[in-house]
Amino acid sequence: AQSVAQPEDQVNVAEGNPLTVKCTYSVSGNPYLFWYVQYPNRGLQFLLKYITGDNLVKGSYGFEAEFNKSQTSFHLKKPSALVSDSALYFCAVRDSSGNDMRFGAGTRLTVKP
Amino acid sequence: EAGVAQSPRYKIIEKRQSVAFWCNPISGHATLYWYQQILGQGPKLLIQFQNNGVVDDSQLPKDRFSAERLKGVDSTLKIQPAKLEDSAVYLCASSLGGGFSYNEQFFGPGTRLTVL
Repeated sequence: AQSVAQPEDQVNVAEGNPLTVKCTYSVSGNPYLFWYVQYPNRGLQFLLKYITGDNLVKGSYGFEAEFNKSQTSFHLKKPSALVSDSALYFCAVRDSSGNDMRFGAGTRLTVKP
Repeated sequence: EAGVAQSPRYKIIEKRQSVAFWCNPISGHATLYWYQQILGQGPKLLIQFQNNGVVDDSQLPKDRFSAERLKGVDSTLKIQPAKLEDSAVYLCASSLGGGFSYNEQFFGPGTRLTVL
């Protein structure tokens, strides 16, 4: 079965600085990779996904993620963080033939003014 | 476009009682998912429906959990009897489906279950 690891429980950055939220995965075959965000008192929202093609994927709110097959990673990035980006971020994976969606434990991002 | 609807939003029950959750997916979404999210953890997939058929229920504790999706639209998830460790947020999500497992999922607000 596939799995996802988010090695950092908490990431703190200053507003205006670049941010990275890390994700590594394990899957048999080709992965479908996703990032979701959970704001306080709101449901999970889709940010971006990697299916195939360009390793750099752009998503909502200025976020992007880089797929690295050799390192089995899919790190989420943003060039300039906003205080409003503070939320809980989840990485998820499923293989290209299966229906087994696996989420990481989440990383809490705090952006300080 | 209306989002995924879930009810109730909160539920408190005693252990060994039964409880049911309801989900109405986005119109036209063929695939429906139920997840369990325990505090401090990521969502765990319990069951996935494609229309009214079960695609994946490998992580559903079938001795106490059941789910159905009659007519391929609304779905209910039931726990009978509940245990303390079932305290969690139960999330429903839907996606366009159609056999494309890379479609993004749209999540409802969840039902927070507390088992005393």
